[in-house]
Amino acid sequence: AQSVTQLDSHVSVSEGTPVLLRCNYSSSYSPSLFWYVQHPNKGLQLLLKYTSAATLVKGINGFEAEFKKSETSFHLTKPSAHMSDAAEYFCVVSGNYGGSQGNLIFGKGTKLSVKP
Amino acid sequence: DGGITQSPKYLFRKEGQNVTLSCEQNLNHDAMYWYRQDPGQGLRLIYYSQIVNDFQKGDIAEGYSVSREKKESFPLTVTSAQKNPTAFYLCASRPTGHPPSGANVLTFGAGSRLTVL
Repeated sequence: AQSVTQLDSHVSVSEGTPVLLRCNYSSSYSPSLFWYVQHPNKGLQLLLKYTSAATLVKGINGFEAEFKKSETSFHLTKPSAHMSDAAEYFCVVSGNYGGSQGNLIFGKGTKLSVKP
Repeated sequence: DGGITQSPKYLFRKEGQNVTLSCEQNLNHDAMYWYRQDPGQGLRLIYYSQIVNDFQKGDIAEGYSVSREKKESFPLTVTSAQKNPTAFYLCASRPTGHPPSGANVLTFGAGSRLTVL
């Protein structure tokens, strides 16, 4: 069985300060992990994905995430927040077992606010 | 440009009416999905289809119906049996790949917001 937990429903940072959005997962198989971003009343856009290659994954808009198997975590970070980063972020886990695409499990989302 | 088109963007429905949300993709993806989004609940899977003329119930299929007559199209009907239909609905698609892989990325449409009056 798979599950994903986003540890914070809301994170607030000041512009120019670091961003940390936390995600823990549970999976019986070697998972694929994704981060998506959603701006208000829009669809979800892929930020980055992990698929068992390098554990540090770089994405768009300066975001990156590190896969830590021992901690079952896939936290999203950015060194310096920009006002345009204000959005909701979703962590997603997907199984990789053979013969199937695997179910996608979405976290409940973390709303990021950026103060001027 | 390839992508997913959802229409209408906003829809109002009276109680007791069925409504159909359109989802069209030109990405040549085999798999298509419908999700419902409510504040603070993330995305919940309604239905998905991995191939034409076949679809499967997701976690919250009651009160919804779908069809998949063409690869490009996966319309969702919200029926009068759905007791709380006011929500944001997202359609997505994904390549199947050979072999299938959980690493294949979901592409989302811009969403349709349904409000019951």
